[in-house]
Amino acid sequence: ETGVTQTPRHLVMGMTNKKSLKCEQHLGHNAMYWYKQSAKKPLELMFVYSLEERVENNSVPSRFSPECPNSSHLFLHLHTLQPEDSALYLCASSQEEGRAGYGYTFGSGTRLTVV
Amino acid sequence: KNEVEQSPQNLTAQEGEFITINCSYSVGISALHWLQQHPGGGIVSLFMLSSGKKKHGRLIATINIQEKHSSLHITASHPRDSAVYICAVKENGGATNKLIFGTGTLLAVQP
Repeated sequence: ETGVTQTPRHLVMGMTNKKSLKCEQHLGHNAMYWYKQSAKKPLELMFVYSLEERVENNSVPSRFSPECPNSSHLFLHLHTLQPEDSALYLCASSQEEGRAGYGYTFGSGTRLTVV
Repeated sequence: KNEVEQSPQNLTAQEGEFITINCSYSVGISALHWLQQHPGGGIVSLFMLSSGKKKHGRLIATINIQEKHSSLHITASHPRDSAVYICAVKENGGATNKLIFGTGTLLAVQP
């Protein structure tokens, strides 16, 4: 256990479903991230929250909607996904101190399959 | 072309061999990470480097900032070292700690 917990570990959903991914950290970090990992491709940054405010959105389709209610929790709400959205979704957290990657910690990921 | 390139993409070794994985990057960075990802998906941070060399057990990571190059070495490799090893950099001047990732090196250590 890395200190960043993601649930569920596996999710199969239809294209008309609505589901949410959850990420939780109790490391005292103040920044949280959603990454997408597709087969044979580098991890892609989706969203960054720093101090609970969204500071970066890498042109992610609106069918992905993040929510960060507090510094310990991060959600990714999913609706009307496409089969090409099937991937491993990873959450990470770090401490924003104006320097690089301090305490950067990943969760175990949610393996999403859209059918 | 990706800003972070790793080589080789795939590596098969016999147990006990010395292994080197390379990472080159094209942007100015403030730090470089080496990460390990086992089947099942979870990513573990092995090292964070901004200069020189770090060692942890059988793992050694080096970085040459002038040459924009880093290497990860595994001594006395073991089948449990089989995983994907990912290099990631924190670009200078970024507002947050987001990382730019390489595509990873798939290592298989055979007994």
